[in-house]
Amino acid sequence: LAKITQPISMDSYEGQEVNITCSHNNIATNDYITWYQQFPSQGPRFIIQGYKTKVTNEVASLFIPADRKSSTLSLPRVSLSDTAVYYCLVAIPRGATNKLIFGTGTLLAVQP
Amino acid sequence: NAGVTQTPKFQVLKTGQSMTLQCAQDMNHEYMSWYRQDPGMGLRLIHYSVGAGITDQGEVPNGYNVSRSTTEDFPLRLLSAAPSQTSVYFCASSYAAGLQPTDTQYFGPGTRLTVL
Repeated sequence: LAKITQPISMDSYEGQEVNITCSHNNIATNDYITWYQQFPSQGPRFIIQGYKTKVTNEVASLFIPADRKSSTLSLPRVSLSDTAVYYCLVAIPRGATNKLIFGTGTLLAVQP
Repeated sequence: NAGVTQTPKFQVLKTGQSMTLQCAQDMNHEYMSWYRQDPGMGLRLIHYSVGAGITDQGEVPNGYNVSRSTTEDFPLRLLSAAPSQTSVYFCASSYAAGLQPTDTQYFGPGTRLTVL
């Protein structure tokens, strides 16, 4: 059974860079790894997606090593509004199809 | 384009009652799924579907049934509600299951279910 784990929580201060790692030991070889942000009482919101090496968009970077057994979400210069729960989402192979499973989630608390 | 819609937004049931949570999407997505999120916890996959007529079990399927008769709709049925099913239920859809960079999951607003 694939296990997708993340640190339960992280603390940071405004303006710092935050790195959140997701460990996934048995994911589909042909899938993308996606990260989501979730605020209380809302559904998850897409942040970034990647397959290998490094991907960057206007809000985050995603680092995926060659063995793809982990991925790291990097948030540059966090602000108070980045306080949220962050989830990785990976595809687990199941026969001819994949099923999408979330990591355990990381609560990021940003302080002034 | 309404995206992913879910009804109802809130529901209170008594133990043993049955009900159906509705989910619909208008983006012609093949992949649809149901997740539950217990208070202070992460999202766990209940059931998913890779296209009309095809469904499969996720991590926590017991007590729930699904069917996919059309591409647009993916209802979740609670057969006999139990207090352990008190949770927020999210429906999501995407073009496929993570195989392409466009396979971003779109989430509905959620249904908050309480079973007494």
